[in-house]
Amino acid sequence: DTEVTQTPKHLVMGMTNKKSLKCEQHMGHRAMYWYKQKAKKPPELMFVYSYEKLSINESVPSRFSPECPNSSLLNLHLHALQPEDSALYLCASSQDKGNEQFFGPGTRLTVL
Amino acid sequence: GEDVEQSLFLSVREGDSSVINCTYTDSSSTYLYWYKQEPGAGLQLLTYIFSNMDMKQDQRLTVLLNKKDKHLSLRIADTQTGDSAIYFCAELEFDKLSFGAGTTVTVRA
Repeated sequence: DTEVTQTPKHLVMGMTNKKSLKCEQHMGHRAMYWYKQKAKKPPELMFVYSYEKLSINESVPSRFSPECPNSSLLNLHLHALQPEDSALYLCASSQDKGNEQFFGPGTRLTVL
Repeated sequence: GEDVEQSLFLSVREGDSSVINCTYTDSSSTYLYWYKQEPGAGLQLLTYIFSNMDMKQDQRLTVLLNKKDKHLSLRIADTQTGDSAIYFCAELEFDKLSFGAGTTVTVRA
């Protein structure tokens, strides 16, 4: 298995909802990442996990809460989001930090 | 992406070569990457080059690196309609990828 999978593909939520994005890889990678991408813009790094521990938090608001339950899974819990949080959320993984990153297809999030 | 710069648009005729250029600022970057993003999709890693290399060729793709000028280019030979996409160059800096703004490549018949 040489891919990163993400669910759901699309998500529409209200500002009072709580939802979660999921990411999975079975390549034995030990680093996993969350990125946010607005239309026509490059991805912006949000979080980095290395060996299941949070390594980098790029000053992301607390309404985004990452979780790494095991080495294959990465979640992003969402609560009280704002309409400006609508974006494509991309997950990536790499063998280790400093190696090439492989991206999932993303979750298209719309906050109403 | 403010440390990595790319031209925003490129239009090329089918069958011609495409050349996408990128400049970066961090001379300590160890790896430089090219990613492709088709509409509605995630990023696909196309190729990468280690900073001590000048050139890397992989089928239709050729990457050139001029470390002195901090200039990176991606050449796509025999461009096809399926090559229409946004292409991002990225440098690896302190375990983080820093992306350019992306070059939108349009292939016309």
